[in-house]
Amino acid sequence: DAGITQSPRHKVTETGTPVTLRCHQTENHRYMYWYRQDPGHGLRLIHYSYGVKDTDKGEVSDGYSVSRSKTEDFLLTLESATSSQTSVYFCAIAGTEKFYEQYFGPGTRLTVT
Amino acid sequence: DAKTTQPPSMDCAEGRAANLPCNHSTISGNEYVYWYRQIHSQGPQYIIHGLKNNETNEMASLIITEDRKSSTLILPHATLRDTAVYYCIVSSGGLTGKLIFGQGTTLQVKP
Repeated sequence: DAGITQSPRHKVTETGTPVTLRCHQTENHRYMYWYRQDPGHGLRLIHYSYGVKDTDKGEVSDGYSVSRSKTEDFLLTLESATSSQTSVYFCAIAGTEKFYEQYFGPGTRLTVT
Repeated sequence: DAKTTQPPSMDCAEGRAANLPCNHSTISGNEYVYWYRQIHSQGPQYIIHGLKNNETNEMASLIITEDRKSSTLILPHATLRDTAVYYCIVSSGGLTGKLIFGQGTTLQVKP
């Protein structure tokens, strides 16, 4: 299995609080992605990174920001969590030559009350 | 990236071949077809990809029509563990390596 971990795995937080999710990889892969998955919507891309300090928006980026200060870590921040951000969040990584072969982390279940 | 159309659900008998169709009629010349699957509550898993030739690996076969407007993923001998949501994705990838997942097909393998 690809070396990719997510933390925390579960989190319950209140509306209006900031939340940061961490994705950590040990594969030295170039590409990193954050997705959210909700019933009826499937998997949707939030933000992605194609190198250190190189990030861009995905389909559903409003309310989220990301940072990648080193290759192995990709952080997703909800500046002020809302109930609509209750979801399962997946991080994925991919190498330069095989960007299409994304390896996914175990997911973080976030509940905003 | 081209849009894909998949049936929302399919059933397959255990031990039989599962054939999952995907329509991508607006695919362009530099776009590949990728297949992923997601077993309940896990992250998606890459299965196979192709450009215009048929492809086979240890998990599945991918058949792409000559005009590239549709493709079929074949699981030759489906098992209960193949029950999952299967996603067909069309993308050129480019600099970003971005893939857009659609709704997919829920495959139920039955004993």
